Amino acid sequence: QSALTQPASLSGSPGQSIVISCTGTSSDVGAYPYVSWYQQHPGKAPKVMIYEVNNRPSGVSSRFSGSKSGNTASLTISGLQAEDEADYYCCSYTSSSTLVFGTGTKVTVL
Amino acid sequence: EAQLLESGGGLVQPGVSLRLSCAGSGFTFRSYAMNWVRQAPGKGLEWVSVISGSGGSAYYADSVKGRFTISRDNSKNTLYLQMNSLRAEDTAVYYCAKEQDILNGYFDSWGQGTLVTVSS
Repeated sequence: QSALTQPASLSGSPGQSIVISCTGTSSDVGAYPYVSWYQQHPGKAPKVMIYEVNNRPSGVSSRFSGSKSGNTASLTISGLQAEDEADYYCCSYTSSSTLVFGTGTKVTVL
Repeated sequence: EAQLLESGGGLVQPGVSLRLSCAGSGFTFRSYAMNWVRQAPGKGLEWVSVISGSGGSAYYADSVKGRFTISRDNSKNTLYLQMNSLRAEDTAVYYCAKEQDILNGYFDSWGQGTLVTVSS
């Protein structure tokens, strides 16, 4: 159960778009439509931003979108805002009937 | 609105046991799978375990299999995590999380977390 691979950090200016990648294998990300994304601010519990690859829960800004190609899932944040500065984690179902999180990406708004 | 409140964390020595609890409210507790997710200090999220709404199915991460047991009491709207043979690497904030469907990774509600520190 190795963690999914994410870039350690990304940054962007307000209004820009950034894309966070989440690379797994054909036994997790590549095999199932169960990839979710979580935002976590310091000292807070995570919050779901995307579920089942590209679905956005009620109340989550439309600036957040998800996609998947092969063994890599992606979270796009459009129109970057100061409040988007946080840690982001992907999560996937695996063929071992478990869940695995990504290594996490720290997003900085310049 | 769903609310989850963890309790039971603390400082323990290696090798001992500890039981965490998570009280749910604001939703039909028995209808949802419930998970434990942990986060070591300054580190990322790690999925620990899930139990189905009925309690009939449970799954574990390899890192805790054989040492941790997840259970629930639907009459008390409470989730548990029995942790045995604790190790230093189990030190983390433990969150309980409500899942929309078992193992689909859609955690729509989280508790505030309870800190477990394993140290001599």
